[in-house]
Amino acid sequence: SQQGEEDPQALSIQEGENATMNCSYKTSINNLQWYRQNSGRGLVHLILIRSNEREKHSGRLRVTLDTSKKSSSLLITASRAADTASYFCATDASNTGNQFYFGTGTSLTVIP
Amino acid sequence: NAGVMQNPRHLVRRRGQEARLRCSPMKGHSHVYWYRQLPEEGLKFMVYLQKENIIDESGMPKERFSAEFPKEGPSILRIQQVVRGDSAAYFCASSPPGSDYEQYFGPGTRLTVT
Repeated sequence: SQQGEEDPQALSIQEGENATMNCSYKTSINNLQWYRQNSGRGLVHLILIRSNEREKHSGRLRVTLDTSKKSSSLLITASRAADTASYFCATDASNTGNQFYFGTGTSLTVIP
Repeated sequence: NAGVMQNPRHLVRRRGQEARLRCSPMKGHSHVYWYRQLPEEGLKFMVYLQKENIIDESGMPKERFSAEFPKEGPSILRIQQVVRGDSAAYFCASSPPGSDYEQYFGPGTRLTVT
């Protein structure tokens, strides 16, 4: 299975701290994306990183991709209570581009 | 440009009834994807459709589930004779032609089978 796995499953930090989540996957990919899901809501796209990129920034988000290790990390700096949500990575395998494979998510709680 | 729309947002069905979930893609998008999210799990791909064509249904259960995306109107995911295990959130995503990695997700339909 291509399904990614996020680590840790749950993370609880104080507001202002940084939060790091990791994602591992199994087969070659075209792209890797990170999504946020607030409790009971839909998915919000955060950032896309292509297989030939190593690092990408968007505001307080920093994503890295290591294709040799088949892993990615999402760093949220200066966390806020509003960042409390589940975070998923999604990959599209290079041989089946139209499917997204989601991990099981990291549940982040930011304590005010 | 309105985002992907799904309705209903919440649906309660008794065991044995049929559930119909609708998805209207973003304007200009001709590709639709359905995903299912069981409680405490990530999303799992079910089916990929283009107008009047099922392109990939490898994630769809073989029985009771069907999907369509007609020339006119929304995409429909139909679940016949629902069972408790069908309770989940069903998300639809759409993408523009030639850009499958740009999938925009709808708010989901939460199906509860009692």
